[in-house]
Amino acid sequence: KAGVTQTPRYLIKTRGQQVTLSCSPISGHRSVSWYQQTPGQGLQFLFEYFSETQRNKGNFPGRFSGRQFSNSRSEMNVSTLELGDSALYLCASSLVRRGQSPLHFGNGTRLTVT
Amino acid sequence: DQQVKQNSPSLSVQEGRISILNCDYTNSMFDYFLWYKKYPAEGPTFLISISSIKDKNEDGRFTVFLNKSAKHLSLHIVPSQPGDSAVYFCAASALGNYQLIWGAGTKLIIKP
Repeated sequence: KAGVTQTPRYLIKTRGQQVTLSCSPISGHRSVSWYQQTPGQGLQFLFEYFSETQRNKGNFPGRFSGRQFSNSRSEMNVSTLELGDSALYLCASSLVRRGQSPLHFGNGTRLTVT
Repeated sequence: DQQVKQNSPSLSVQEGRISILNCDYTNSMFDYFLWYKKYPAEGPTFLISISSIKDKNEDGRFTVFLNKSAKHLSLHIVPSQPGDSAVYFCAASALGNYQLIWGAGTKLIIKP
């Protein structure tokens, strides 16, 4: 079974631009979550999608948005990029929506904003 | 307010010895705890979990201990191997809440 796939692996953008990151979950997994990882900050929860609906949202500004398609694939978008948005963005999928269901992570997209 | 804390940013252990990674939490509603391991340039991978109805869970070289009264959990790795060098995250969830709350991670370095 293929794992969680995130594209692209690396991105360099300039301030003010926008970016779209893509995530394909494990086949059959319907829950997709997005996380931001910065040095020393651990994983900060962005949002979770299940059955094409956003179910949970973390404490991030409205510049961060996402969506999920009928095939469970998900995209996240960051508009008006700021230098502080430079981070590793991780997508995770799980079979069911339960905190106890282990998350399966992709290898992330490294975003650098200059 | 950090509900899950990993107070040691890094830990260095001799190969073959025991590695002990610690995690403290503040939310008494947390009832499920997980440990993840992360190598550079890869996403975290699930390692082991424990429910609040238990105080210990073992899986091969990995054992997680939960002390509910102290709101503390620890991950023991015995014996430590070079491939265990990675960043370890603990995470917690509360019953009925689908969101995981993560610690900041501890970088484990296994010395040969």
